[in-house]
Amino acid sequence: QVQLQESGPGLVKPSGTLSLTCAVSGGSISSSNWWSWVRQPPGKGLEWIGEIYHSGSTNYNPSLKSRVTISVDKSKNQFSLKLSSVTAADTAVYYCARVVVATSVYYGMDVWGQGTTVTVSS
Amino acid sequence: SYELTQPPSVSVSPGQTARITCSGDALPKQYAYWYQQKPGQAPVLVIYKDSERPSGIPERFSGSSSGTTVTLTISGVQAEDEADYYCQSADSSGTRVFGGGTKLTVL
Repeated sequence: QVQLQESGPGLVKPSGTLSLTCAVSGGSISSSNWWSWVRQPPGKGLEWIGEIYHSGSTNYNPSLKSRVTISVDKSKNQFSLKLSSVTAADTAVYYCARVVVATSVYYGMDVWGQGTTVTVSS
Repeated sequence: SYELTQPPSVSVSPGQTARITCSGDALPKQYAYWYQQKPGQAPVLVIYKDSERPSGIPERFSGSSSGTTVTLTISGVQAEDEADYYCQSADSSGTRVFGGGTKLTVL
């Protein structure tokens, strides 16, 4: 079955750029699914960051849109997140997830990575 | 910005029924989804499209919708159901939104 694995630096300096990758195994990133990023600050709830289709189409959280870029690399079967101008408020566990969409109907995020902790600190 | 409102906590005794609500103005027009998250683990989808249950999710989990409120019901609560539960939906533009989460305590 499909598995997702996040990777990237665990520590990012303030004002820098957070970069994470989600490797997809057991399935193709070019399937009819979207691929999403969700984060969770320590002790707080989930926040949707954005999502991408293998064609490159994206949807972003308006509150983060000016700082977020999500991209896909079909040759490596992975997708990535870049978040610029980070502050301590961006410290969180970052999850990648598969979004099931069929005939334009959203079925939710049914497969999640284990999450990776990113701390913004000097 | 659009918000989904959940109670911070719900407590029930084993074997009883737990009901967790989620309120939002767009819920009459947008489906709701429910995720269970245990400490240190990734979320798990337990209900999609208001009331559908993914394969592998126990039948004691059910969902319903009425107007601007959706409800996750756990019948015959077990100790293993103790977790945080998040509703998720979308605003009128399609932006995905999560509720603040509800901590379910099994007494």
